[in-house]
Amino acid sequence: GAGVSQSPSNKVTEKGKDVELRCDPISGHTALYWYRQRLGQGLEFLIYFQGNSAPDKSGLPSDRFSAERTGESVSTLTIQRTQQEDSAVYLCASSLGRSGGGSVRTDTQYFGPGTRLTVL
Amino acid sequence: AQTVTQSQPEMSVQEAETVTLSCTYDTSENNYYLFWYKQPPSRQMILVIRQEAYKQQNATENRFSVNFQKAAKSFSLKISDSQLGDTAMYFCAFMKRSNAGKSTFGDGTTLTVKP
Repeated sequence: GAGVSQSPSNKVTEKGKDVELRCDPISGHTALYWYRQRLGQGLEFLIYFQGNSAPDKSGLPSDRFSAERTGESVSTLTIQRTQQEDSAVYLCASSLGRSGGGSVRTDTQYFGPGTRLTVL
Repeated sequence: AQTVTQSQPEMSVQEAETVTLSCTYDTSENNYYLFWYKQPPSRQMILVIRQEAYKQQNATENRFSVNFQKAAKSFSLKISDSQLGDTAMYFCAFMKRSNAGKSTFGDGTTLTVKP
């Protein structure tokens, strides 16, 4: 079936502008994650959605960052008043999630291709 | 908090040879998962192999296998019969079973397979 998709694939914006990044998870996956990857570095956890539970926002670096998810489908990551240090690849992942009981199979994350954000 | 360390920023191997990428982690948890992901220049993160901490048997997936040493908190990846398509950045990741929402990733190892 279709994998995780993200749009746009690349986004160039000016400092101070707001941006929205979109993620479409794999159909049937109840859990969705956002990560940030700076150039040449590992992934930095941002936020996690599991079904209708309150999201885990503990990784969001500032109040300029927010994310929403409609039910168990599309998610949008919004960055307000972008700064140059926000330049990175933003990766989305989904998993079957905890409705499956919890196992390595249900918790394994499958990633989208990412959105490369460049803030000038 | 968990930490994941990949001590080899870059490695290279000749085509058809075997290479081992190292990963160590630090945790007080007993139930967790470990993963290796591959990220080629296309940016797509691809799951290579996964291991449940309670399983003593090392996971294998075709040419990929791990050496999981729970007491030593080590989780190395062995790639046999290396192919040019294996050239990529490889990330080791840790996930607590009790908190599936967060994975902690290492900084990655860039592997180059030479013809």
